[in-house]
Amino acid sequence: EAGVAQSPRYKIIEKRQSVAFWCNPISGHATLYWYQQILGQGPKLLIQFQNNGVVDDSQLPKDRFSAERLKGVDSTLKIQPAKLEDSAVYLCASSLVGGVAETQYFGPGTRLLVL
Amino acid sequence: GENVEQHPSTLSVQEGDSAVIKCTYSDSASNYFPWYKQELGKRPQLIIDIRSNVGEKKDQRIAVTLNKTAKHFSLHITETQPEDSAVYFCAARQYGQNFVFGPGTRLSVLP
Repeated sequence: EAGVAQSPRYKIIEKRQSVAFWCNPISGHATLYWYQQILGQGPKLLIQFQNNGVVDDSQLPKDRFSAERLKGVDSTLKIQPAKLEDSAVYLCASSLVGGVAETQYFGPGTRLLVL
Repeated sequence: GENVEQHPSTLSVQEGDSAVIKCTYSDSASNYFPWYKQELGKRPQLIIDIRSNVGEKKDQRIAVTLNKTAKHFSLHITETQPEDSAVYFCAARQYGQNFVFGPGTRLSVLP
């Protein structure tokens, strides 16, 4: 079974620039999550999709972050403009239907460095 | 909202010894508690989980215990091996809410 795919794996940008990350979840998984993991901390949820609808985006800084999952499969997360404090690993995860005790499968992450 | 604390932040043990990591949570409605292992530069991977209707679960050298009254759960690794060295994250979740992760414990198993 193919896992969650993410690209790019690494990205270095200057502050105020824009950046976009891509995620392809496991085939058939309806639920997709984007997490931000700052060095030395646990993952923090940014947004959760159920198919192509947003379930929870309460912790997404909407003034600069946006995400979409137009066809209910792939998803993109965008930051515009980036700040120094956005330097982190951005993890995408997926699960089958989003049940409480359902396993989340994580992608390899995109490591972002904002200079 | 839910808040998850995790202790210790770093843990060093000798190979063959046991390691215990403890997490506490704040919301008594949380009912699912997974543990993830994240090796350096790699993705978090689920290693064991427990639901609130169970007090203990074991899988070979790994076990998790849950004390609902005290609102804490612990990861136990016995007969540690160098490949157990990683960062371990606990998390808590309840119906209708999302996972809240602890800050992580860096485990080093010394040969």
